[in-house]
Amino acid sequence: AQSVSQHNHHVILSEAASLELGCNYSYGGTVNLFWYVQYPGQHLQLLLKYFSGDPLVKGIKGFEAEFIKSKFSFNLRKPSVQWSDTAEYFCASSITGGNEKLTFGTGTRLTIIP
Amino acid sequence: DARVTQTPRHKVTEMGQEVTMRCQPILGHNTVFWYRQTMMQGLELLAYFRNRAPLDDSGMPKDRFSAEMPDATLATLKIQPSEPRDSAVYFCASGTAFAGTDTQYFGPGTRLTVL
Repeated sequence: AQSVSQHNHHVILSEAASLELGCNYSYGGTVNLFWYVQYPGQHLQLLLKYFSGDPLVKGIKGFEAEFIKSKFSFNLRKPSVQWSDTAEYFCASSITGGNEKLTFGTGTRLTIIP
Repeated sequence: DARVTQTPRHKVTEMGQEVTMRCQPILGHNTVFWYRQTMMQGLELLAYFRNRAPLDDSGMPKDRFSAEMPDATLATLKIQPSEPRDSAVYFCASGTAFAGTDTQYFGPGTRLTVL
């Protein structure tokens, strides 16, 4: 069975600080990996996704993530955060070539202090 | 800008009442998912459909929950009878399944409160 772990439950940063949110998945086969963002009171929006190819994936709003297969990780990064990045961030995985079910991590709440 | 729509956006009801939530997937998408989000459990997959056929509803309490797709433009999630523990935000998502690589697009959710 798949599982996704996000160890940072709540991260507080000042504006312009660099961000890295951890995500680890557990599955023996090939997976697709996603980061979604949920702004306060809103629905989930896709930030970026990895299916295959270049392990460094660039998404919207200046976010990027790196797939490191040996570490089963897909950490989300942003070099300089803004107040508007305050949101909840969810890492998710699905099995490549299998069903499309997403398994979500528990989420990381990011608070940016102006 | 194609979007998944959900109605109602908010629903307050009393225990024992029937609740029906509706979802209109993005036109052309052939997979539809229902998720429930709570503080305690996070995001849980309840059920999903491909080409209107239910593929997996193992996440749903079978005795009170039911999910259907009467046609390609409408998915419904029904709870009968509702209980306070069903209070949550219910999200619908849609996508286009292709060789197992699928991106899901989420609707705005229905916030359900059962008193």
